Amino acid sequence: KAGVTQTPRYLIKTRGQQVTLSCSPISGHRSVSWYQQTPGQGLQFLFEYFSETQRNKGNFPGRFSGRQFSNSRSEMNVSTLELGDSALYLCASSPQGEETQYFGPGTRLLVL
Amino acid sequence: QKEVEQNSGPLSVPEGAIASLNCTYSDRGSQSFFWYRQYSGKSPELIMSIYSNGDKEDGRFTAQLNKASQYVSLLIRDSQPSDSATYLCAVMKYGNKLVFGAGTILRVKS
Repeated sequence: KAGVTQTPRYLIKTRGQQVTLSCSPISGHRSVSWYQQTPGQGLQFLFEYFSETQRNKGNFPGRFSGRQFSNSRSEMNVSTLELGDSALYLCASSPQGEETQYFGPGTRLLVL
Repeated sequence: QKEVEQNSGPLSVPEGAIASLNCTYSDRGSQSFFWYRQYSGKSPELIMSIYSNGDKEDGRFTAQLNKASQYVSLLIRDSQPSDSATYLCAVMKYGNKLVFGAGTILRVKS
């Protein structure tokens, strides 16, 4: 099976812009979770989607949002970008009924 | 107190030795635990999961769980230079949320 895919892999934006990141889970996986990884804060949970519904949300401002489509693909959006949003954004998918999460390669976002 | 704590390292071991990586967690009700490996510039890669007290072995890797002591460990036998990476301990919380430790840097010297 193909793994989790994320696009784009790299992105450079300027402060105030918005960005949309995409994630395609492993075939058959319906749960998609998003994480932010920074050197200072480590890996932090953003949100989790299952069957197009957000089931859980981390402690991030409302500028961070996401959605999931009927084919389980997910997008996350960050509006009004800040310098501190520069990070590796990771998507992970899980098979139904299992807790194990498999990560994609990530999208590295640089905000200038 | 952080929910998941790991020694940041670096932990240096010679090639062929056993590397021992440790992790403690604060939520006594936690049931599911995971070890991930992350190479520099890459995404986390699942090594193994553990749910029950005791040992779980997979090839050169052994995970150990002690819920009474709120302690999880990962042993890597016959360490290789290719094992040099950051090892992340993660605990599953409600709502499919993984909480990660800061990671331990492992360096295997040939």
